[in-house]
Amino acid sequence: QQQVKQSPQSLIVQKGGISIINCAYENTAFDYFPWYQQFPGKGPALLIAIRPDVSEKKEGRFTISFNKSAKQFSLHIMDSQPGDSATYFCAARNTGGFKTIFGAGTRLFVKA
Amino acid sequence: DADVTQTPRNRITKTGKRIMLECSQTKGHDRMYWYRQDPGLGLRLIYYSFDVKDINKGEISDGYSVSRQAQAKFSLSLESAIPNQTALYFCATSDSLDGDTQYFGPGTRLTVL
Repeated sequence: QQQVKQSPQSLIVQKGGISIINCAYENTAFDYFPWYQQFPGKGPALLIAIRPDVSEKKEGRFTISFNKSAKQFSLHIMDSQPGDSATYFCAARNTGGFKTIFGAGTRLFVKA
Repeated sequence: DADVTQTPRNRITKTGKRIMLECSQTKGHDRMYWYRQDPGLGLRLIYYSFDVKDINKGEISDGYSVSRQAQAKFSLSLESAIPNQTALYFCATSDSLDGDTQYFGPGTRLTVL
């Protein structure tokens, strides 16, 4: 079964610190790897995404690092802020496929 | 996201009752999805529809049914609710011309007693 394994389940980071969330996948057909951010009471929303032709993508304080050979990718949040406190989901799909496979989620709490 | 709306936002029902969750979108997207969210399990796909005449089961469709009444409307039904269907339910949409990004509604919190 296609799976995306996400860790840690929860994370507490001091304001200004770096938050790191890791994901691993099995299906080598996956070619699109998004991260979704979910605030309490809201639906998930796309945060940043990467395709495997690059090893890193940065948007502001958010960076995805991608290791194709290890089948792993991670989200780094630099200078973490209390407003970043949310649940983060990694995901994977193959273009032309019909399913996005989500990780179990990571609850991030940034302490002020 | 105001472009994808779900009703009701909260619902408490009893075991054995039939319940319908509704989703509407103004994004003009052709693809719609129903997900279930449980703590520690992430988002799991219940059903998906690529257009009005195309409906497919996801990974956890047992006990659920759907109806795509129009391109903009996709309803999820629990024919006979049971307590382990207590969860947060999300509708999502995507555009087949840009199919990689999914846009989620605000969710429906369902409790089955």
